[in-house]
Amino acid sequence: GQNIDQPTEMTATEGAIVQINCTYQTSGFNGLFWYQQHAGEAPTFLSYNVLDGLEEKGRFSSFLSRSKGYSYLLLKELQMKDSASYLCAALDSNYQLIWGAGTKLIIKP
Amino acid sequence: ETGVTQSPTHLIKTRGQQVTLRCSSQSGHNTVSWYQQALGQGPQFIFQYYREEENGRGNFPPRFSGLQFPNYSSELNVNALELDDSALYLCASSLVESGTGVEKLFFGSGTQLSVL
Repeated sequence: GQNIDQPTEMTATEGAIVQINCTYQTSGFNGLFWYQQHAGEAPTFLSYNVLDGLEEKGRFSSFLSRSKGYSYLLLKELQMKDSASYLCAALDSNYQLIWGAGTKLIIKP
Repeated sequence: ETGVTQSPTHLIKTRGQQVTLRCSSQSGHNTVSWYQQALGQGPQFIFQYYREEENGRGNFPPRFSGLQFPNYSSELNVNALELDDSALYLCASSLVESGTGVEKLFFGSGTQLSVL
């Protein structure tokens, strides 16, 4: 079967760094997405990785290891507005997105 | 703003009823997908339409059906509503980004459906 695993909830302090991990098992692989979803709102695109390595975009970076079926989202200089759920989603061989349940990130002052 | 709008924002129905949810996506976005998101869960893929034809379907029963129209609007219809159908329903249009070739999803803000 196809499966995406990520932690249910994480807590971090304002100004700190946090890493949200994601492991995936899919039939075929055509890339991995990270989305941010604030409570009561729609998901918004953060990043896409299809090759191994680190993609940096401002305070957010995303890493992929295809051989390990593993990705992480790194958030630096955390701000209170970063409190949200972070969804990991893998694109399978049929180009369908398989979504994780999301990681709720709580930022404390 | 994603340019994708959904209506209504909230809806309350009773078990056994039928519901139609609507989505209007950006001009030029030929693909629209519908997702069901239960509280605390990730979105579950219902189906996708490309140029008015169903282009893929998730593990949902036939009472979930859809339509896509030439004006980039679409509908999700659910018949014989069950209590477990209570969820946030998200519509997403997609566009392949020129240069990177990455297909990005643009989500609407969703319709919160409650079935009593």
